Amino acid sequence: AQSVTQPDIHITVSEGASLELRCNYSYGATPYLFWYVQSPGQGLQLLLKYFSGDTLVQGIKGFEAEFKRSQSSFNLRKPSVHWSDAAEYFCAVVLWEYGNKLVFGAGTILRVKS
Amino acid sequence: NAGVTQTPKFQVLKTGQSMTLQCAQDMNHNSMYWYRQDPGMGLRLIYYSASEGTTDKGEVPNGYNVSRLNKREFSLRLESAAPSQTSVYFCASSGGSGSGRSSEQFFGPGTRLTVL
Repeated sequence: AQSVTQPDIHITVSEGASLELRCNYSYGATPYLFWYVQSPGQGLQLLLKYFSGDTLVQGIKGFEAEFKRSQSSFNLRKPSVHWSDAAEYFCAVVLWEYGNKLVFGAGTILRVKS
Repeated sequence: NAGVTQTPKFQVLKTGQSMTLQCAQDMNHNSMYWYRQDPGMGLRLIYYSASEGTTDKGEVPNGYNVSRLNKREFSLRLESAAPSQTSVYFCASSGGSGSGRSSEQFFGPGTRLTVL
């Protein structure tokens, strides 16, 4: 079955430090991949997406992600974290043959230390 | 453009009560979705509607029904609420044609439902 794994439930980084959030997917076809961010009590906001082409994609708020087919991964990175980045981050893969159904990972909660 | 709107924002029900969550989008999207979010489980798809006039079950459809009223509106009904349905419910929509860009989903702000 198609699935998305985010191995880290919680991550804590210091403000100004670099960040990498891991995402692995299990999906036979070419994936469409997304990262969403959710601040406490809020809805989901799209950070970035990968459909095809360049495997390094840039998103909003200084985030980027790299698609590695050989590793079935789509890790999210940011070179310097700000306190306002504290939130929960979700990786997702779309199953376009099922009405564009999104399968989400369980999420990674990011805490930023000052 | 309001995007995806949901009503109500908060709701408290007693076990056995019924209610309908409303969702509307103004982006002329074909596909609409209902998810529930529970701690540590990400978002799980309850039902979706790939196009007007069609609905299909997702991962966790038991205890819910949906109606795609028209292209804009997609409602979720709890006929007899149970404490296990305490959750945050999100509606989303997408272009739905199967191409990359139209697969992006746009989310509403959510409805926080508590069933006592």
